[in-house]
Amino acid sequence: GAVVSQHPSWVICKSGTSVKIECRSLDFQATTMFWYRQFPKQSLMLMATSNEGSKATYEQGVEKDKFLINHASLTLSTLTVTSAHPEDSSFYICSARDGQGRRGEKLFFGSGTQLSVL
Amino acid sequence: DAKTTQPTSMDCAEGRAANLPCNHSTISGNEYVYWYRQIHSQGPQYIIHGLKNNETNEMASLIITEDRKSSTLILPHATLRDTAVYYCIVHQAGTALIFGKGTTLSVSS
Repeated sequence: GAVVSQHPSWVICKSGTSVKIECRSLDFQATTMFWYRQFPKQSLMLMATSNEGSKATYEQGVEKDKFLINHASLTLSTLTVTSAHPEDSSFYICSARDGQGRRGEKLFFGSGTQLSVL
Repeated sequence: DAKTTQPTSMDCAEGRAANLPCNHSTISGNEYVYWYRQIHSQGPQYIIHGLKNNETNEMASLIITEDRKSSTLILPHATLRDTAVYYCIVHQAGTALIFGKGTTLSVSS
């Protein structure tokens, strides 16, 4: 199946700093990528939809100025957590859509990034 | 909100078939049924998806009722490595996957 690479796998940062997470589709072009956040023992929560070459669409309650998303190419989307706060500590996961199939599209996920803000 | 209902948890003996049910009574005609699973601290893994016909691949089988209001994911010979949270998702092309709480499957020897 298609591969989505997410980097880094985990990161520890100090409060007030910024952290960038990369999501790459390795063997397909992804015009659309999605960013999720997952807190312990909870399900994935959609944060935003990222479209190549245009502004991201954020879900209600997600601060667009805090979670900066850039999707500059068909294979790369980045999520930057700005002015990180301990409350931002979470598991962040990206997803990319491979819409080449005729029998419905497939969405593949990165391995996730565990962010810990001290 | 998720449009599916799944049991919170299920147990299965290693080597036996695991049958995971999912109700999606409000599914629309252009929506597919997708199944993903998530092992602790990893990203979700695609398992299978279907529209109205039963589907089978190397991982599992998907049985969709004729009225499409429910489905069952079948893992034919469960192993310990199949212990995970399984998500049944109703999905329309071009949109994001919306996750519910899923079913925690525990496979024991």
